Amino acid sequence: EVKLVESGGGLVQPGGSLKLSCAASGFTFSSYTMSWVRQTPEKRLEWVAYISNGGGSTYYPDTVKGRFTISRDNAKNTLYLQMSSLKSEDTAMYYCARQGAGKAYYFDYWGQGTTLTVSS
Amino acid sequence: DIQMTQSPASLSASVGETVTITCRASENIYSYLAWYQQKQGKSPQLLVYNAKTLAEGVPSRFSGSGSGTQFSLKINSLQPEDFGSYYCQHHYGTPLTFGAGTKLELK
Repeated sequence: EVKLVESGGGLVQPGGSLKLSCAASGFTFSSYTMSWVRQTPEKRLEWVAYISNGGGSTYYPDTVKGRFTISRDNAKNTLYLQMSSLKSEDTAMYYCARQGAGKAYYFDYWGQGTTLTVSS
Repeated sequence: DIQMTQSPASLSASVGETVTITCRASENIYSYLAWYQQKQGKSPQLLVYNAKTLAEGVPSRFSGSGSGTQFSLKINSLQPEDFGSYYCQHHYGTPLTFGAGTKLELK
């Protein structure tokens, strides 16, 4: 059974930093591209980071580029999202998501999410 | 960036009815369109990808259609477990974007 379990969310002040983790199991983690997707309090879904299966390629939307860094440790079957210079608009539920086979850009499995609140 | 416009924003229907949700892309995305279902308090689940391919385990009462810029998700004979929110997403490369969602409620 594919399982993605996020952790690391919490309350952070504006300008602060936080690192999220996602533990993967039930599939060959190193064979799949992965992403982080967030859902705002208004329930809007936003893709925030992509990483290739080997970790050599990463992509971000302009809204987080330069502030967020996605990484992975294939030996530990774990995905990460380092977030810095946090803003109130980064407040959201953050999901780790596996992308479809063949490096497809849709998401076939999602974790249960971890909540980030950016507030003073 | 490709903008995804979903309609309607909300929809009330009864068990047994057939409903259709539409999604329009701001430019040609060929058939690179996915649909997700999200139930209250849960994470999204993939329903359809490549516009019309059902994900594993998805009931056949769900169907996707369209290409280019116009797409739709049809649910035949609504079941109680189908009520929730639905989102479209283009998967034609980055940046990936989603529609604003359609909330399907029980009438």
